[in-house]
Amino acid sequence: GQNIDQPTEMTATEGAIVQINCTYQTSGFNGLFWYQQHAGEAPTFLSYNVLDGLEEKGRFSSFLSRSKGYSYLLLKELQMKDSASYLCAALSGGSYIPTFGRGTSLIVHP
Amino acid sequence: DGGITQSPKYLFRKEGQNVTLSCEQNLNHDAMYWYRQDPGQGLRLIYYSQIVNDFQKGDIAEGYSVSREKKESFPLTVTSAQKNPTAFYLCASSAGGAETQYFGPGTRLLVL
Repeated sequence: GQNIDQPTEMTATEGAIVQINCTYQTSGFNGLFWYQQHAGEAPTFLSYNVLDGLEEKGRFSSFLSRSKGYSYLLLKELQMKDSASYLCAALSGGSYIPTFGRGTSLIVHP
Repeated sequence: DGGITQSPKYLFRKEGQNVTLSCEQNLNHDAMYWYRQDPGQGLRLIYYSQIVNDFQKGDIAEGYSVSREKKESFPLTVTSAQKNPTAFYLCASSAGGAETQYFGPGTRLLVL
């Protein structure tokens, strides 16, 4: 079976840094996706990590540790528009079908 | 302008009625997927298709049916057997394998 865990909700202040964690247990592992989803809209792709380490894309960075079954999404210089749900999805070996976590609802306040 | 489209944006279903949700992509992607999203839940896979004329059940296929007669189209029918159809339905496509999925704007299905 497959299990993806991430916090349900987080709050942060505009301009701050926030880290959203994701742990996964899958039978085989091919990589981990992060998506952003604003309320009532489609998820949009943020990052895909296959190898251990940190990948940076502007204000957003994503980290993966395959040995620990752990990833995080780091958002810097938070803006109000970053208020959204962040979905972690693990790609298991063989099926190439991602398993999604329940999403972390991030609320950014002034 | 490549992308993935879904229609309608909102759909109302009466008791005992079948309804069909449209999903079209012009990204030349081989693989297409249907997910259901309920409040506070992650995306749950209904059906997926990795190639034309072939599709597989996902985790929650009961009460749903699909077809994949054309590469660019993957319609989902919500049948009367689906007793709790109210949800946000998302269609996605990818080039296949470990490639990234791209999502359509979604259809919100409501029961009258």
